[in-house]
Amino acid sequence: QQQVKQSPQSLIVQKGGISIINCAYENTAFDYFPWYQQFPGKGPALLIAIRPDVSEKKEGRFTISFNKSAKQFSLHIMDSQPGDSATYFCAAQIIQGAQKLVFGQGTRLTINP
Amino acid sequence: DAGVIQSPRHEVTEMGQEVTLRCKPISGHNSLFWYRQTMMRGLELLIYFNNNVPIDDSGMPEDRFSAKMPNASFSTLKIQPSEPRDSAVYFCASRQNLQETQYFGPGTRLLVL
Repeated sequence: QQQVKQSPQSLIVQKGGISIINCAYENTAFDYFPWYQQFPGKGPALLIAIRPDVSEKKEGRFTISFNKSAKQFSLHIMDSQPGDSATYFCAAQIIQGAQKLVFGQGTRLTINP
Repeated sequence: DAGVIQSPRHEVTEMGQEVTLRCKPISGHNSLFWYRQTMMRGLELLIYFNNNVPIDDSGMPEDRFSAKMPNASFSTLKIQPSEPRDSAVYFCASRQNLQETQYFGPGTRLLVL
């Protein structure tokens, strides 16, 4: 019940296209859903996050769509650029009580020029 | 702020040797996390501390692994004796209480021969 399942494992998108990465969770107590971006040789860094009281959050070219009833959320990257090539991790957390983040398995995204 | 600091950045050792990884969290952050990243298993939480106290060590693989946080500005992860299957990138992350974002360090790339 603590798992977060992420798909696909890898994704290749042409420059200018839309990249979509999906995640699903089981624990309805989760109330914070971040996406982390990791470049080779670096640690993951927070990209964008959402709380379950909204269905969508947009920051620039990055959008999280959240479906509470389906227990799913996804990351959309519009107008994908070669600089977006990285590994993306979804995660989930129960905010109260200093709970830990539960990470998905990661998606390696490659944007072809 | 310099961010989360980890040392060493790279470590090559022989099987059976003791390995000590070090982490300095961001000043003022109350929670500290140790993760291990491999191609096969992704990003795994090993242990996390809140206010220098270990809260959840269920991810620690076995007794060969130990972690300490003697004060708010320093933590160590020790492997003794090390084995080739411990080869991975080890990340430290910190978070301020009442905030959701975890900040990751650059990682220590460990190779056990």
